Amino acid sequence: AQSVTQPDIHITVSEGASLELRCNYSYGATPYLFWYVQSPGQGLQLLLKYFSGDTLVQGIKGFEAEFKRSQSSFNLRKPSVHWSDAAEYFCAVGSNAGNMLTFGGGTRLMVKP
Amino acid sequence: ETGVTQSPTHLIKTRGQQVTLRCSSQSGHNTVSWYQQALGQGPQFIFQYYREEENGRGNFPPRFSGLQFPNYSSELNVNALELDDSALYLCASSVSGVLNQPQHFGDGTRLSIL
Repeated sequence: AQSVTQPDIHITVSEGASLELRCNYSYGATPYLFWYVQSPGQGLQLLLKYFSGDTLVQGIKGFEAEFKRSQSSFNLRKPSVHWSDAAEYFCAVGSNAGNMLTFGGGTRLMVKP
Repeated sequence: ETGVTQSPTHLIKTRGQQVTLRCSSQSGHNTVSWYQQALGQGPQFIFQYYREEENGRGNFPPRFSGLQFPNYSSELNVNALELDDSALYLCASSVSGVLNQPQHFGDGTRLSIL
């Protein structure tokens, strides 16, 4: 069965600092991987996705993620965090061409001024 | 382009009651998936509908059921509500069979069971 682990429940960074959110997955075949962001009381917004090809993928809002098959990881990064990035971030792996998602428990990001 | 819309936004029910949540998929999308997100947790896949048929199901009991209509909109029905059913219910739409087409989520329905 597929699963996703996000080891960090909470992360606090200073505005302007770099950010890396960790994600490890378990999946039997080539994974479809996603990062979503959720602001309080809102649904999920897709940041980026990996289906195949280049292992470094670019997303919206200046985010990027790197797929590392050997480490079963898909970590999210941003070089300079803005206060508006404070939110909950979810990593997910998809089956059925990415149509059925298994989510991690999420990482809550707080940004210090 | 119209996004995914869900109704109602909030709902309060009591144990044992039944509830119906509604979802209109994004224009051009033919597949609808439902997720349950308990407080402080990630979303959990309930089931997916394609061509008005259930196309996959997560680890949820039969009292969770759904429908998809010819216009691709969908309903989630939950019978015999339990306290643990309190959660944010998210609907997502996508285009089935097309790679590189991710799911788009609505803002959810917050269900509270008293």
